[in-house]
Amino acid sequence: AQSVTQLDSHVSVSEGTPVLLRCNYSSSYSPSLFWYVQHPNKGLQLLLKYTSAATLVKGINGFEAEFKKSETSFHLTKPSAHMSDAAEYFCVVSGRNYGQNFVFGPGTRLSVLP
Amino acid sequence: SAVISQKPSRDICQRGTSLTIQCQVDSQVTMMFWYRQQPGQSLTLIATANQGSEATYESGFVIDKFPISRPNLTFSTLTVSNMSPEDSSIYLCSVDLPGGTEAFFGQGTRLTVV
Repeated sequence: AQSVTQLDSHVSVSEGTPVLLRCNYSSSYSPSLFWYVQHPNKGLQLLLKYTSAATLVKGINGFEAEFKKSETSFHLTKPSAHMSDAAEYFCVVSGRNYGQNFVFGPGTRLSVLP
Repeated sequence: SAVISQKPSRDICQRGTSLTIQCQVDSQVTMMFWYRQQPGQSLTLIATANQGSEATYESGFVIDKFPISRPNLTFSTLTVSNMSPEDSSIYLCSVDLPGGTEAFFGQGTRLTVV
């Protein structure tokens, strides 16, 4: 069984300051991990993914995440927040096999203050 | 990658009626997934639709309420039957590709039941 915990339901940062969105996962086998972003009234967009290669993964728009197996974590970071980063962020876990469904975390709403 | 088209993008329906949502993919896939995103919530898997067999429903979802068709490898429909206001949600279609590692999502269907 797989599950995802996002420790913060809402994170608020000032523009230009670092962003940290926390994610912990549980999986009975080696997982694939993802971060998706959902802007208001928009579809889901993949930010980045981890699939067993490098543990530090770089994504779009300056985001990156580090897979830490010992901590079962996959936290999302960005050095400097931009107003356009305000959105809902979902951490997602999946098995490695084709067709295994993606389990979504509850989401973290990121607010960016001017 | 995969491009997914969902129709309708939004609808307002009377309680007691049914709505069928269509999902078209630009490549052949064995499995298609249907998710529900209730207001302010994360995504929950409703069912997995395999071509040539009956859909597999997750706990809490039943075929009578959410019948699914999968007539070929690029198309699926989800029907929300006998709707009530509690069914007001965004419904999303998703696929992953053989050998690929990420899920692709349609833009979603925003359903409001009045």
